[in-house]
Parts: sequence; structure tokens; C-alpha cells
Amino acid sequence: SAVISQKPSRDICQRGTSLTIQCQVDSQVTMMFWYRQQPGQSLTLIATANQGSEATYESGFVIDKFPISRPNLTFSTLTVSNMSPEDSSIYLCSGVAGVETQYFGPGTRLLVL
Amino acid sequence: DAKTTQPTSMDCAEGRAANLPCNHSTISGNEYVYWYRQIHSQGPQYIIHGLKNNETNEMASLIITEDRKSSTLILPHATLRDTAVYYCIVRVVGGANSKLTFGKGITLSVRP
Repeated sequence: SAVISQKPSRDICQRGTSLTIQCQVDSQVTMMFWYRQQPGQSLTLIATANQGSEATYESGFVIDKFPISRPNLTFSTLTVSNMSPEDSSIYLCSGVAGVETQYFGPGTRLLVL
Repeated sequence: DAKTTQPTSMDCAEGRAANLPCNHSTISGNEYVYWYRQIHSQGPQYIIHGLKNNETNEMASLIITEDRKSSTLILPHATLRDTAVYYCIVRVVGGANSKLTFGKGITLSVRP
């Protein structure tokens, strides 16, 4: 299994600013992902974080808005740029241990005023 | 789009078995059935997964029909702490397409 932690656990930000969320896994994972969960909704995949190369974004998400880094096999960051109230969500990091099981972090609760 | 369909909600009495159904009629031969749950304000928790055979672990049992077009997650003795949204997901294991795509899930309410 893999234990995933995220920082910060929550934040309140002003519109127009940016927030970087950190994700740390306690063991090497083959793949890492970032998800968003808007209030009352299910999880939506933002992107696959690729080690040492640009992330692979899902439709509707772009690098300028959600830049992602993954410098090694256990760490990744997601930046929410130029925030607006519509970005208020829970952002979740996820990693695949081995090939079969995907684990999730506790999430970062973001409120944009 | 999610490739599974689940009822919106169900409830069961504490101590009884909770049987959560899932339809995945378009499942491919290389796709596994995964179950996760999300308790309020927490990240999704892995429960169990399977390909063809029934599976059991300390949390639950997974029963997959012979044609693989549907499955049932069984919580043998539901407790109040099992109240959560349960997601049934089909996923290819390994490769660029091995990502979890979440649908709306089923909200299980366990009543005292």
C-alpha cells in the first residue's frame, strides 16, 4: 500500500492569487494523478503527473492554469493559478502502487474569495 | 464518461449485510472492477478489486457475474461508520489508460 499526504490540508485564498499544493508518497509509485472535487460533485481527473516531463492533461484542463511538477517518484506539486471563486474545490493527489491499486491523499480544501 | 451505473442511494440496518450493485455491461476483457468509498470530507478509500473471480478481504466481498456485466459489493456486517459514497469503477491495469474515472457513486446510509 501507499500512504499519501498533502499540504496544505486547507486554505482560504484571494482571487487572482496562486496556490501550490504538495503531495508526498511514503513509497515509490508508478503513476501519480491529480483530481478535483467540486462541492457536491464526484471526482474529476485533472492530469497525470509524469516524472521528469510535462504532465498529461485531461480535456478542459490546461497547463497555464494547473501547472504540475513531479521531480521524482514520490513527490508532486499542483499549482492553481490566478484563482477565482470557481476554483473552490477539494484537490486530491493519487498514486498507483505496483500496477493494480491506486491510493488517494486526504485532499486539500480550497476556498477562493 | 463513467462506464458503470449504480443506484443513487440505498440504506441498510446496522449489523445487516449491505449489498451494493453495479452494472458494467460494456466492460472489456482487460478491465478490472474496482470499488472505492468516500466518507464525508475524506479522500477516497480503496476497498477491493477483481477481474473475473469473486474476491474477499477484511473489508468486503466482491461478487462478479460470470459474464462480467455486473457485480455486487457486500459489506457483511454494516456499521454506522460505513455510511459513505461507494464508487464502482472499471479500470485497465497498467499503461497510459490505467486511470480511475469516477461516476456519481451510490450513497449508502446505515441506520441504527
